[in-house]
Amino acid sequence: EPEVTQTPSHQVTQMGQEVILRCVPISNHLYFYWYRQILGQKVEFLVSFYNNEISEKSEIFDDQFSVERPDGSNFTLKIRSTKLEDSAMYFCASSQASSTGYNEQFFGPGTRLTVL
Amino acid sequence: DAKTTQPPSMDCAEGRAANLPCNHSTISGNEYVYWYRQIHSQGPQYIIHGLKNNETNEMASLIITEDRKSSTLILPHATLRDTAVYYCIVSYYPNTGNQFYFGTGTSLTVIP
Repeated sequence: EPEVTQTPSHQVTQMGQEVILRCVPISNHLYFYWYRQILGQKVEFLVSFYNNEISEKSEIFDDQFSVERPDGSNFTLKIRSTKLEDSAMYFCASSQASSTGYNEQFFGPGTRLTVL
Repeated sequence: DAKTTQPPSMDCAEGRAANLPCNHSTISGNEYVYWYRQIHSQGPQYIIHGLKNNETNEMASLIITEDRKSSTLILPHATLRDTAVYYCIVSYYPNTGNQFYFGTGTSLTVIP
């Protein structure tokens, strides 16, 4: 069964450093998403991406964040200068296009980001 | 923000049916109801979705009230591996894709 994969599973970084989280969505999917979950809190939407551009983003997704689909298979989330409060699980998701209003999203296993 | 309300926690005896309720009183006519679950800190796992009719798959059944203002997820024979946080989400897919708004969900504990 196809699945979304994410690397690394755990990333430790120093405050102020740049990190790139990587995701390989399901191959025939056209929509890509990043969510995050701070320990003990809700899963929060960050950004959605379609046709090589951002389609929606939340207030959390500020100028420190960027997304890219560099090679047609990977989907990346970059945090330019990490802060302590960026420590969280980051989930990538993907979905197929649908003309019927239905849009099941498939989630990856997550990357745990720890900022020291 | 999440448009659903769910009880924060529930217990269920192993082998019994687990019935997880969800209120979505402001649902619009074209919004689907999705159920996901999250085991520990793993990625959310799709369970089932529905629009108006009741639905069943190999994992669960979804009962949606006629007015669509609430639904119930039924796990027919709960096992210890069903212990997880269960999320009810309502959403509609516009042309540019849609995001899911997760609430706090229901933490289901299956008791031996």
